[in-house]
Amino acid sequence: ETGVTQTPRHLVMGMTNKKSLKCEQHLGHNAMYWYKQSAKKPLELMFVYNFKEQTENNSVPSRFSPECPNSSHLFLHLHTLQPEDSALYLCASSPGTGPETQYFGPGTRLLVL
Amino acid sequence: KNQVEQSPQSLIILEGKNCTLQCNYTVSPFSNLRWYKQDTGRGPVSLTIMTFSENTKSNGRYTATLDADTKQSSLHITASQLSDSASYICVVISGGYNKLIFGAGTRLAVHP
Repeated sequence: ETGVTQTPRHLVMGMTNKKSLKCEQHLGHNAMYWYKQSAKKPLELMFVYNFKEQTENNSVPSRFSPECPNSSHLFLHLHTLQPEDSALYLCASSPGTGPETQYFGPGTRLLVL
Repeated sequence: KNQVEQSPQSLIILEGKNCTLQCNYTVSPFSNLRWYKQDTGRGPVSLTIMTFSENTKSNGRYTATLDADTKQSSLHITASQLSDSASYICVVISGGYNKLIFGAGTRLAVHP
């Protein structure tokens, strides 16, 4: 295990639902990330948090709302999603936002109906 | 435009055989290059990290090479095992902003 956990591992939701993804890291890192991974496409960086502050939002639609209450926890709140949002959502952490190695969680497989 | 291209997109080999995965990049300025292994249902795990001055780096049966002049990297897997079945992702970190540029990955299947 990498020290980064994500829940739930699988999620099916309708377009009118509201759900949240949770990420927790036990590595003492200060930076946390949300990525979207679609089939046969490169990972897409969504959000970056450093010391609980959002430092990057990669033009992500507002139906995705991140929350970082502390350096160990990261949430992704979902509402009124579209079927094309179905993907694997990966959380990662690293000591800082420099060129250090990022440690990834197992991901949440999301299906939007 | 910063891009990372991987080939082949998918590969099937028999257990015990060797294989080589390719990564070409156009990222500039260059900081370092990483290969990640992603098992099905898991997040990516770092295999190797190579800086500009490194030509080759090994991690067990995995050997990565880097040619910074031609902007190419390869990952060679020796004596493949069933557990090598996974996606292998090439990631290039651009200098300055430390931005990660991901390739789409090569999906490797090792058959008995």
